[in-house]
Amino acid sequence: GENVEQHPSTLSVQEGDSAVIKCTYSDSASNYFPWYKQELGKRPQLIIDIRSNVGEKKDQRIAVTLNKTAKHFSLHITETQPEDSAVYFCAAKVSGSARQLTFGSGTQLTVLP
Amino acid sequence: DTAVSQTPKYLVTQMGNDKSIKCEQNLGHDTMYWYKQDSKKFLKIMFSYNNKELIINETVPNRFSPKSPDKAHLNLHINSLELGDSAVYFCASSQINNEQYFGPGTRLTVT
Repeated sequence: GENVEQHPSTLSVQEGDSAVIKCTYSDSASNYFPWYKQELGKRPQLIIDIRSNVGEKKDQRIAVTLNKTAKHFSLHITETQPEDSAVYFCAAKVSGSARQLTFGSGTQLTVLP
Repeated sequence: DTAVSQTPKYLVTQMGNDKSIKCEQNLGHDTMYWYKQDSKKFLKIMFSYNNKELIINETVPNRFSPKSPDKAHLNLHINSLELGDSAVYFCASSQINNEQYFGPGTRLTVT
């Protein structure tokens, strides 16, 4: 089955700096890669996703890059703000199948004011 | 107009009891899921279910069982609760190709 590894497990940055979280996956059939943000005591919510037919996707201050050959993808947050502090999860799945979304182990991001 | 709802939000019970958590989605999605999130925040898939297929994570004890009375509901039944079952349980739903929407979670504490 799919295995997703996520690094780092914790990340502290100064407000205004950039943050990068990296994930690798094992199943070359995976073609859908979402990122979820979970604030303390709340539910995970999708912030951005990418499918394997593109290499990069941006939405304001967040971007995701995908390297299919190397089987890794990354989340980039620029101009970080204190409200970006949360746990971030990457995930991978074979789109169009009933196979399950496999999550990484999460990254606790802390943005220091 | 809550998209995915769960009840109860908190559940405190004793070891050995049997309990259920209910989940409902009003998004018209075809697939529903249950996740367990432990104290280290790891999100572990337990089940995924649509009207054609139930996929069970093989590490889930058979004390856990999903029950789907209809397409909009997927309830979680837990028999003979153990201390290690304490966690936050999230229900989620999706159309098969699209994002998963999570419920607010149920914090289960077994004493």
